[in-house]
Amino acid sequence: DVKVTQSSRYLVKRTGEKVFLECVQDMDHENMFWYRQDPGLGLRLIYFSYDVKMKEKGDIPEGYSVSREKKERFSLILESASTNQTSMYLCASSPKQGDEQYFGPGTRLTVT
Amino acid sequence: QQQVKQSPQSLIVQKGGISIINCAYENTAFDYFPWYQQFPGKGPALLIAIRPDVSEKKEGRFTISFNKSAKQFSLHIMDSQPGDSATYFCAARSGGGADGLTFGKGTHLIIQP
Repeated sequence: DVKVTQSSRYLVKRTGEKVFLECVQDMDHENMFWYRQDPGLGLRLIYFSYDVKMKEKGDIPEGYSVSREKKERFSLILESASTNQTSMYLCASSPKQGDEQYFGPGTRLTVT
Repeated sequence: QQQVKQSPQSLIVQKGGISIINCAYENTAFDYFPWYQQFPGKGPALLIAIRPDVSEKKEGRFTISFNKSAKQFSLHIMDSQPGDSATYFCAARSGGGADGLTFGKGTHLIIQP
């Protein structure tokens, strides 16, 4: 069964902290994605990766970075968390030639 | 610039009725149009998808209608059931599977028993 797991369901951090959100998929997928979901705004693409050590900016990359050292793991990094980064963060993966993206359950991050 | 516009924001339908959600896009390079369904506390899951070479795709009670000239596509849920109550997102993508999706803002659908 397809599975994408995210390290935390809920996270509370202080302004200025460095925050790591971890995502692991067990489907040997080449493509991985990070989105943020906000009420009334839908899902917006932050970064994506099509291979180990490869990364591409999405629509809203400002304030974020990513790391992909292993095929199964894709990390989202908030270098200095700010209150406007309070959001639900969703990780997804897809196979190299496939269309369907498989989403994890999300991490709800609150920055105070 | 919002590239995929979705309406309505919320929708209430009686059990057994037809639920219709509409999306419009601007980027003519889009060539893949999926619909995702999301239940509270869960990540979105693919419901049904279409490519612009066909005008309609049906899977069970769910149908996508696609109008390439108008740059619009819609989701129809026939015989709507309370279990269909969820948030629905349309999306679009150009290029291959390695590229991310551009989502609409979502529709909160409630099916009243």
